Amino acid sequence: GAVVSQHPSRVICKSGTSVKIECRSLDFQATTMFWYRQFPKKSLMLMATSNEGSKATYEQGVEKDKFLINHASLTLSTLTVTSAHPEDSSFYICSARDYASGNTYNEQFFGPGTRLTVL
Amino acid sequence: GENVEQHPSTLSVQEGDSAVIKCTYSDSASNYFPWYKQELGKGPQLIIDIRSNVGEKKDQRIAVTLNKTAKHFSLHITETQPEDSAVYFCAASDMYSGGGADGLTFGKGTHLIIQP
Repeated sequence: GAVVSQHPSRVICKSGTSVKIECRSLDFQATTMFWYRQFPKKSLMLMATSNEGSKATYEQGVEKDKFLINHASLTLSTLTVTSAHPEDSSFYICSARDYASGNTYNEQFFGPGTRLTVL
Repeated sequence: GENVEQHPSTLSVQEGDSAVIKCTYSDSASNYFPWYKQELGKGPQLIIDIRSNVGEKKDQRIAVTLNKTAKHFSLHITETQPEDSAVYFCAASDMYSGGGADGLTFGKGTHLIIQP
């Protein structure tokens, strides 16, 4: 199957700093990537949809100025958590869809996740 | 929007027995139903999916059934093994329109425990 990577896998930062997380599709092109957030022992909650060449679409309740998303190319999306606070500590996971396959179903492949801890 | 309910939240079975996890969805437009396995500290891994044009799909020890009328789908794991222990998530999504795609709506997850 298609491979999606994330970097870094773990990051610890001080409160007030910004952290950038990268999501890459390694063997396919993804015009759309998705960012999810997962709290311990909870399900995945969609934060935003990242579209190559256009602005991201955020889910209700997600602060766009807090979570900056940039889809710089067909294989890279970045999520920047700005002025991070302890409540932003979470597991952030991206996914991507292989459009070139001609698939009309919403099959998505997930990255390994990034564990963010804000002190 | 879509709402996905998943049961049970925890399932403990003896090694070698079968495990069944059930999900219901609310949006009749949904046509894609994947199942993911997530191990501790890792991202979700797609293990099987089913599309609305079929009622059942099987891949070795794993099978998924879909009842569109009742809006529910189930994951069946036979001959369970210790390595099957993980959290399993169901999800649902509607048709990709071509102009963009939506994120998946996930169930709350089932912690499957395989007892040796």
